[in-house]
Amino acid sequence: EPEVTQTPSHQVTQMGQEVILRCVPISNHLYFYWYRQILGQKVEFLVSFYNNEISEKSEIFDDQFSVERPDGSNFTLKIRSTKLEDSAMYFCASTPGRSSYEQYFGPGTRLTVT
Amino acid sequence: GENVEQHPSTLSVQEGDSAVIKCTYSDSASNYFPWYKQELGKGPQLIIDIRSNVGEKKDQRIAVTLNKTAKHFSLHITETQPEDSAVYFCAASISGNQFYFGTGTSLTVIP
Repeated sequence: EPEVTQTPSHQVTQMGQEVILRCVPISNHLYFYWYRQILGQKVEFLVSFYNNEISEKSEIFDDQFSVERPDGSNFTLKIRSTKLEDSAMYFCASTPGRSSYEQYFGPGTRLTVT
Repeated sequence: GENVEQHPSTLSVQEGDSAVIKCTYSDSASNYFPWYKQELGKGPQLIIDIRSNVGEKKDQRIAVTLNKTAKHFSLHITETQPEDSAVYFCAASISGNQFYFGTGTSLTVIP
């Protein structure tokens, strides 16, 4: 069964450094999402992406964040200058299309900012 | 924006008993309500969902009910098994756009 994959599984970085989290959505899916989950808290929406542009973004998704689909398979989240409070689990998700609401999540990348 | 509340935060049941998790939402425009199961170290896995034009949906031992008037929906797991132990999240969405998640319920099924 097709699944969303994410790399790396764990990323440790120093405060102020740039990180790129990578996702490969399910191949025929058209809508892509990033969520984050701070330890012990609820999953929070960051951004949705369709047709090579951002569809929606939350207040969390400020100028430090950007997303890109550099080729036909990868979907990336970049954090330009990481802060301690960016430490969280980051999940990528994808959906087949507008009539299908189900979002399928990847296994996540644990980001630790020291 | 939408606010989703989920109760209880922890739930322990004996194997074979039923488990019920409840969520409320605030935005009457929400029309899609998925439930996710998250096992340790893994991403959320969709287990069942319901749209607002339906009051109840069942899939084997799992069922979800929706009360649009009261703005609440519930997950029911019957004949629980140890492998049902996980964290369960409810979510609400308007037509599959951004999901608003509840705070999660840690379910433990005691053998």
